[in-house]
Amino acid sequence: DAGVTQSPTHLIKTRGQQVTLRCSPISGHKSVSWYQQVLGQGPQFIFQYYEKEERGRGNFPDRFSARQFPNYSSELNVNALLLGDSALYLCASSLGSRDQPQHFGDGTRLSIL
Amino acid sequence: AQRVTQPEKLLSVFKGAPVELKCNYSYSGSPELFWYVQYSRQRLQLLLRHISRESIKGFTADLNKGETSFHLKKPFAQEEDSAMYYCALGEYNFNKFYFGSGTKLNVKP
Repeated sequence: DAGVTQSPTHLIKTRGQQVTLRCSPISGHKSVSWYQQVLGQGPQFIFQYYEKEERGRGNFPDRFSARQFPNYSSELNVNALLLGDSALYLCASSLGSRDQPQHFGDGTRLSIL
Repeated sequence: AQRVTQPEKLLSVFKGAPVELKCNYSYSGSPELFWYVQYSRQRLQLLLRHISRESIKGFTADLNKGETSFHLKKPFAQEEDSAMYYCALGEYNFNKFYFGSGTKLNVKP
């Protein structure tokens, strides 16, 4: 198993544009979570999806949205990009129950110019 | 409100010395607590979780509900322990998950 895979690895956008990041979970994992990690800080929770439904949402504006597909892969969309959205975006998958560990991907590095 | 606090950004110890990475949390329910580690050029990965009460790579962590702490300890640090360590908390329904800001552990030879 390749583990959690994310694409693309790097992305450069300009202010006001829109971006879509993709994540494929480990086989058998039904939960996918998204995190934003700004340099020098820990990951900040954005969303959790389980069985294609949003189960949790962090303190992020409505410009951030996500969805999970029937094959449990997921997309994170960010509209109207701001300079402050520059960060590493991490995806994590798990079996879904609260005591189960999350398995992280390598992340997508998003730079906003 | 900050759910997880790691007060030290950097901790430097010599090889063979004991190490303690501090983690305090704020949560009114029953938390699920974890330690994640990120070695250089590797993915963030689970080190241990309080529910399993295990020792991984010589590390242990005890949940102290009175002090709301979940400090990570190892009696004798090794150079290969040098990494970034994150304490994390999962809410009861696992609707949200919080990471601390991380502590960089540097084990000197």
